[in-house]
Amino acid sequence: QVQLVESGGGLVKPGGSLRLSCGASRSRFGDYYISWIRQVPGKGLEWLAFITTDGATTHYSDSVKGRFTVSRDNARNTVFLQMDSLTVGDTAIYYCTSGEGDGSIDYWGRGTLVTVSS
Amino acid sequence: IVMTQSPVTLSVSPGERASLSCRASQRVDTNLAWYQQKPGQAPRLLIYAASTRAPGIPGRFSGSGSGTDFTLTISSLQAEDAGIYYCHQYKDWPRETFGQGTKVEI
Repeated sequence: QVQLVESGGGLVKPGGSLRLSCGASRSRFGDYYISWIRQVPGKGLEWLAFITTDGATTHYSDSVKGRFTVSRDNARNTVFLQMDSLTVGDTAIYYCTSGEGDGSIDYWGRGTLVTVSS
Repeated sequence: IVMTQSPVTLSVSPGERASLSCRASQRVDTNLAWYQQKPGQAPRLLIYAASTRAPGIPGRFSGSGSGTDFTLTISSLQAEDAGIYYCHQYKDWPRETFGQGTKVEI
């Protein structure tokens, strides 16, 4: 099992940047792929980005490709989501997630709220 | 792959059976999961591989289906089962998609 904790959310102006972090509780953090999923408050879930266990491969949804970058530092048990060129539409709760390998999401962080507003 | 859930809202009395539907726009085989979300909380995995209960999930939750049509059944609804339920396809993993959710009211 792994416990995930997001941080770095907050209020940012349109066009601004923010970097989210996802920390993990266990030493085998490097065994887990990580996906970022967001949820507009009161709305549904949207997959955004994925990074493999070694950080060598990443994937992005069309809605964030070219604006968001996911990376990881396994020595620090941390995954990052660099978010640039933010718009009001990026306002959401951002979750860090992982699983045991079949594709379903076994582990969710508690989420961090990102608000993009002038 | 677009996931469509029905109904949008389901009102059920305690002890009654609840059936939630999820339809995929393309075949996802059994690469389908169900999650429960309560206010202020992250979603929780209930069912994976269309019909396998996740560890610690009560037996009243069951999943069925394959291909494009899936059902989550709660056999005898309890007060604590109120929440929003999402289906999730991971056939296209990691480019997974979710249904819009069904709100279960007790």
